[in-house]
Amino acid sequence: DTGVSQNPRHKITKRGQNVTFRCDPISEHNRLYWYRQTLGQGPEFLTYFQNEAQLEKSRLLSDRFSAERPKGSFSTLEIQRTEQGDSAMYLCASSLAGGPQPQHFGDGTRLSIL
Amino acid sequence: AQSVTQLDSQVPVFEEAPVELRCNYSSSVSVYLFWYVQYPNQGLQLLLKYLSGSTLVKGINGFEAEFNKSQTSFHLRKPSVHISDTAEYFCAVTSPFSGGYNKLIFGAGTRLAVHP
Repeated sequence: DTGVSQNPRHKITKRGQNVTFRCDPISEHNRLYWYRQTLGQGPEFLTYFQNEAQLEKSRLLSDRFSAERPKGSFSTLEIQRTEQGDSAMYLCASSLAGGPQPQHFGDGTRLSIL
Repeated sequence: AQSVTQLDSQVPVFEEAPVELRCNYSSSVSVYLFWYVQYPNQGLQLLLKYLSGSTLVKGINGFEAEFNKSQTSFHLRKPSVHISDTAEYFCAVTSPFSGGYNKLIFGAGTRLAVHP
């Protein structure tokens, strides 16, 4: 079990730039989730994939955000025209399908907007 | 809609003392409950989960939690803490009615600080 891998671990960028994060889930997991965690808060759900299909998106996911999982393996989360309020930790998790399977989290990508 | 309230934002405790981190949830349907731990600059690690059956569940690192349906609580306990237990602890809930277990609803977290 190599765990969920996220890259990069840290990203510093200027306001208005585009950023992309990558998540590699545990290989046999077909569910993949993205969460956002701001300072002093618990993670908030952003979106969810089952295999390559994006099945649910939170209202937190504005039009500037897009997520993909092209072959049902790794996923990318892109933020266009970043804003100060996008500064947060972006967490990826994966799980098996079928019932309330525990979600396994990566170490996250910390985004800082200058 | 479901929600989770962690009643203490910070809990200071001395090493080898017992600790309880409190979690209450709000839901009109059956739920599944989880506790996760987060160490600095890391992701979340599952401590334990309640899905069904015995209301007392045991997890890793000596932690346990008790599901109380009448009080809608899922408090986390450890009889004797170590310095290494210093971390942020999150309670989370999901249900089959939130789109099929597709998302966890987290509390705001409780920071456990263990002092020597």
